[in-house]
Amino acid sequence: EVQLVESGGDLVQPGGSLRLSCAASGFTFSSYEMNWVRQAPGKGLEWVSYMSSSGRTIHYADSVKGRFTISRDNAENSLYLQMNSLRAEDTAVYYCARTRAMVPFDNWGQGTLVTVSS
Amino acid sequence: DIQMTQSPSTLSASVGDRVTITCRASQSISSGLAWYQQKPGKAPNLLIYKASSLESGVPSRFSGSGSGTEFTLTISSLQFDDFATYYCQQYNSYSWTFGQGTKVEIK
Repeated sequence: EVQLVESGGDLVQPGGSLRLSCAASGFTFSSYEMNWVRQAPGKGLEWVSYMSSSGRTIHYADSVKGRFTISRDNAENSLYLQMNSLRAEDTAVYYCARTRAMVPFDNWGQGTLVTVSS
Repeated sequence: DIQMTQSPSTLSASVGDRVTITCRASQSISSGLAWYQQKPGKAPNLLIYKASSLESGVPSRFSGSGSGTEFTLTISSLQFDDFATYYCQQYNSYSWTFGQGTKVEIK
């Protein structure tokens, strides 16, 4: 069974940093593309970042470009999101989501809440 | 970025109704469109990909159609378990973008 478990969400002050993790199991992590998707409270879904299976190809949403960094450790079956210069508008539940063979987001984690507030 | 517009934003329907949700793209996305269902407090669940391909394990009452800029999600006979929010998403080109969502409520 595919499992994605996010962690690292917390309350952080504006301008602060946070690192999210996503632990994957139940599939060959190194063979799959991975993403971060977020959802602000009571709002819709927003794709945040993509990383190819090898880590060589990366994409970011304009709203986080230059502030967030996606990475992965295929040996540890883990995906990460380093978030710097956090703003109030980054407050959201952050999900990691798997992509398979051009099928986007076929499996999701349960999400981790990031709250940016003073 | 490609903008995705869903209609309606809210839909009131009864069990057994046929329900259709529309998603329009601001430019052609070929068949690079997916549909998701989300229930309160839960992660979204993939229903349809490549505009009309049913994800494994998803009931056959769900179907998708369209290409280019106009797409539809149809639920042939609404069940209690289907009351939720539905999102379309384009993955033809980055940045991948979602529609604003359609909430399906009990009439």
